[in-house]
Amino acid sequence: AQTVTQSQPEMSVQEAETVTLSCTYDTSESNYYLFWYKQPPSRQMILVIRQEAYKQQNATENRFSVNFQKAAKSFSLKISDSQLGDTAMYFCAFMKQASWGKLQFGAGTQVVVTP
Amino acid sequence: SQTIHQWPATLVQPVGSPLSLECTVEGTSNPNLYWYRQAAGRGLQLLFYSVGIGQISSEVPQNLSASRPQDRQFILSSKKLLLSDSGFYLCAWGQGVLDSGNTIYFGEGSWLTVV
Repeated sequence: AQTVTQSQPEMSVQEAETVTLSCTYDTSESNYYLFWYKQPPSRQMILVIRQEAYKQQNATENRFSVNFQKAAKSFSLKISDSQLGDTAMYFCAFMKQASWGKLQFGAGTQVVVTP
Repeated sequence: SQTIHQWPATLVQPVGSPLSLECTVEGTSNPNLYWYRQAAGRGLQLLFYSVGIGQISSEVPQNLSASRPQDRQFILSSKKLLLSDSGFYLCAWGQGVLDSGNTIYFGEGSWLTVV
């Protein structure tokens, strides 16, 4: 079974600064997908970024980028130029190949952006 | 475009009462459908998933059941609620294939408090 670990329960960052969230996972699979979702106070789960394990290039979406280290089984999220609207719980999630889209989530990291 | 809705948004039910949470998806056909539960301060746990009408797979043993009476309708039920059933329930959908690595999209969630 796969496990997803987010070791930082809470992170605080000032506006315009950069914050990096860590995520490690344990799997024996060679092909899989990784995701970061954010959950703002509204509780709506919103996709931030996704990465295919077979791609060496790190995914980027505007101010959000990942550092995917397959050998180390690490998938960190960097938020650049943090904005107040980035305040949310961030979840790392793992999807095994050929699994009908089932996601395995980490426990989450609460990000608080301060003025 | 595709949309997903679930209701009710908030529910307070006494112990031993029945439960019905409903979810519908629009703008797509034959989606994979999922029910997740989020306990307070924790990540999401997959409860059920469905790859077609009448096809339900349970991920964890529990007091709940799911049904899919129509292609884009997914229902979470219980005959007798327990206090431990309290939590935030999220319906989700993804493209209906075994392996696409596609994004999973979530509904707005339903808060269930069992008293």
